[in-house]
Amino acid sequence: EAEVAQSPRYKITEKSQAVAFWCDPISGHATLYWYRQILGQGPELLVQFQDESVVDDSQLPKDRFSAERLKGVDSTLKIQPAELGDSAMYLCASSPIDRSNTGELFFGEGSRLTVL
Amino acid sequence: AQSVTQLGSHVSVSEGALVLLRCNYSSSVPPYLFWYVQYPNQGLQLLLKYTTGATLVKGINGFEAEFKKSETSFHLTKPSAHMSDAAEYFCAVSDVTDKLIFGTGTRLQVFP
Repeated sequence: EAEVAQSPRYKITEKSQAVAFWCDPISGHATLYWYRQILGQGPELLVQFQDESVVDDSQLPKDRFSAERLKGVDSTLKIQPAELGDSAMYLCASSPIDRSNTGELFFGEGSRLTVL
Repeated sequence: AQSVTQLGSHVSVSEGALVLLRCNYSSSVPPYLFWYVQYPNQGLQLLLKYTTGATLVKGINGFEAEFKKSETSFHLTKPSAHMSDAAEYFCAVSDVTDKLIFGTGTRLQVFP
């Protein structure tokens, strides 16, 4: 069964360092999402891509976060510099372009970031 | 704007007892509603979804949910809890741009 791949699963870094997360969506899924989930809370959308274009990045802290999906396939989320408050699970999800019949997102296992 | 409220951040039940996790939504358009489950240090897995049609929706692992428009609710139930059901459960609504808006989650504990 096709899955969304994410790496690394766990990342520990010191504040002010740079960190990057990678996501490979299910093949053929045009839409890719990055969510942040702080411990004890629900996931919150950071950025949404349609192919290589950003559809929504209104909640992305652009002073330190960046995201790209250059060829419309895999994606990278970067944080520079990392802050203590960035400690969270970063979840990637994908969906096919035609979601009119399901609306379902398919999630990866996430990347847990701890900033010391 | 769409939103989801999950009543009760923690729910505890005995094994074999009824599970009821509450979710109320706010939506300006006919909603798509979802329940996802998350096991520790893992991603989210879809339990069930409501898009159109039958208001009682059956999902995986014996869970079901009923869409009640008059009550703006989409509560999740399971007749008999199993130890393996212990996890975090998230209700979500899809907004007009197809973005998923999640609730804050309910942690289910199952005692033997």
